[in-house]
Formats: sequence, structure tokens, C-alpha cells
Amino acid sequence: DQQVKQNSPSLSVQEGRISILNCDYTNSMFDYFLWYKKYPAEGPTFLISISSIKDKNEDGRFTVFLNKSAKHLSLHIVPSQPGDSAVYFCAASASGGSNYKLTFGKGTLLTVNP
Amino acid sequence: GAGVSQSPRYKVAKRGQDVALRCDPISGHVSLFWYQQALGQGPEFLTYFQNEAQLDKSGLPSDRFFAERPEGSVSTLKIQRTQQEDSAVYLCASTSIGVSDRPTFGSGTRLTVV
Repeated sequence: DQQVKQNSPSLSVQEGRISILNCDYTNSMFDYFLWYKKYPAEGPTFLISISSIKDKNEDGRFTVFLNKSAKHLSLHIVPSQPGDSAVYFCAASASGGSNYKLTFGKGTLLTVNP
Repeated sequence: GAGVSQSPRYKVAKRGQDVALRCDPISGHVSLFWYQQALGQGPEFLTYFQNEAQLDKSGLPSDRFFAERPEGSVSTLKIQRTQQEDSAVYLCASTSIGVSDRPTFGSGTRLTVV
């Protein structure tokens, strides 16, 4: 059973517009969430994270929102740029003995069209 | 080094062959992880080392999979008697203790079993 779900396999947006990538989780023990970006033939690169004590974290064009009651988080990219085209993975971990272990979603392929 | 280095980048193995995948983590990084990413899926946790100690191997799919990190730096993931279902990208990641949980990933080794 997928504990982290990214239900949109792909998303296409125009350059300059907002990209919104969604992620849902089922494990209520998850309390730390990360977004990774992956280009073809490269490893995932850390983008932004959020702890469950917050509901928003912002870093430049990237903002992550967390809704704990809905077990939902989203990544907003504003404005979107063609270089943002990549696969975006949502990942989660639980504090405690296994806090090193990340559980990933299947990823969403974002295409930003010029 | 500047990043996590994995070799080989690509490996084609005949079914039944043994393979060894190498990971050079970032210098000084205490924690090292192996993940398996099947086609169309997100990375899945395999195993975790802290220095030379393998603290968690719960994600290893079978006893054909074996990982070691004898001197607390370079790690090797060995797969014995490879099967077609072992075909995947194997990702290594490392992180420095004291830094929040944001592993740095290598580019991975793509293993194809024919």
C-alpha cells in the first residue's frame, strides 16, 4: 500500500504561470516532508522541506504547504520556468527510531512550456 | 568529494550473474543509504549505514542482496544470482550527522538483467 501518493503522473504549465504539485499521505506518524527534483539520468536533488509543526515553508519561487488534517501537501512554483521541467518526488519520514528512512511517492513529471 | 559518486553508471547482467555496485559518499558523511527505484516508481529504501555499522537492512528484498561499508566510507551493494525483477536504478545517498534529514543522492546505477 502506497503511504505517499502523487496522483498526477504529469503536469504541463506555461512559462510564467504557477505550477502546483500535490501529494497525499496515509501514515499519521509522518512528521517531516521533503520535495526532491530529478532530471533524467541524474539522482534526486533536494528542493524544499517542511516539518509538521509548520503549515508553510517558502524558499524563493518554491513554497510548500502542509495540511495535516487532510494529510496533504502541495508544492507551488511561481513563476514556473522551462528549467523547472523535471520529475518531482514527494517524500516523508517519521520521527523516532526510523527517522532516517524516506518514503517516496511515484513522482510527477512537470513540463514547463516556453 | 563534491558529491555522491556511483559506479558503474550502467550495468547489464545476465540472469544468474552476481553484480557489485559501488558508492563513494560525500567525504565525512556519516550516514549512507541505498534505495532501489524501479521503472515508473519512486525510490524505495533498502538499507542504512552509520559509519561502518549497518543499522537497518529491512528494505533488502531478499537474501540475495547484501551491502557493506567496511571502513565507514565507500559502500558496495552486492546482488547475487540476479533476476529480471532486480532491474532498477540503484541510488546511494549520504548525509552528515547533525544536519537535518536531507540526503544527497548520487546519479545511480541502472541495472538491467537480461
